[in-house]
Amino acid sequence: DVKVTQSSRYLVKRTGEKVFLECVQDMDHENMFWYRQDPGLGLRLIYFSYDVKMKEKGDIPEGYSVSREKKERFSLILESASTNQTSMYLCASSLSEPFIRLNTEAFFGQGTRLTVV
Amino acid sequence: SQQGEEDPQALSIQEGENATMNCSYKTSINNLQWYRQNSGRGLVHLILIRSNEREKHSGRLRVTLDTSKKSSSLLITASRAADTASYFCATDPNSNSGYALNFGKGTSLLVTP
Repeated sequence: DVKVTQSSRYLVKRTGEKVFLECVQDMDHENMFWYRQDPGLGLRLIYFSYDVKMKEKGDIPEGYSVSREKKERFSLILESASTNQTSMYLCASSLSEPFIRLNTEAFFGQGTRLTVV
Repeated sequence: SQQGEEDPQALSIQEGENATMNCSYKTSINNLQWYRQNSGRGLVHLILIRSNEREKHSGRLRVTLDTSKKSSSLLITASRAADTASYFCATDPNSNSGYALNFGKGTSLLVTP
């Protein structure tokens, strides 16, 4: 069974803390993504990576950074957590089909609900 | 960037009825996908329809795609209480920049017994 695993379901952090959200996939996917989900706003892309050590900014990268040192692991880093980063964070992965793009379904982790106090 | 827009935002029906959700998007696509999310969980892929397809079925799901109108619909037939969830459309844009799906804001479906 394919799997994307996020390290925590729930996290509570203090304002100003450096926060690491970890995501691991076992499907040998090239692409990995971090989204945040807020009521009424749907899913917004923070960062994605199409290969080891490669990263691309999404729609809302401010206040976040990412790390992809190994193919299976994609980390989201909140450099200095703020209350407006309280949200549900979703990691996903997918195959890379740069030319054909026929089977690009994303597989999601269970989500991390982060509260910054 | 978000380009899928689902309609309605919320839908409430009784078990046994059909549920129809619509999605509109703005740019050309490689494919369009529908996902389901149970409360507080991650998204689960339901069905993918390619840009050269018009209709696709999977069990009680029927998806249509009209690329001329840039719209898609998801029909769930004979709905069950267990279908209660949020449903999202996602587009795989036909562009050279990146591989990220663009998600809409979702339709919240409530199926009452």
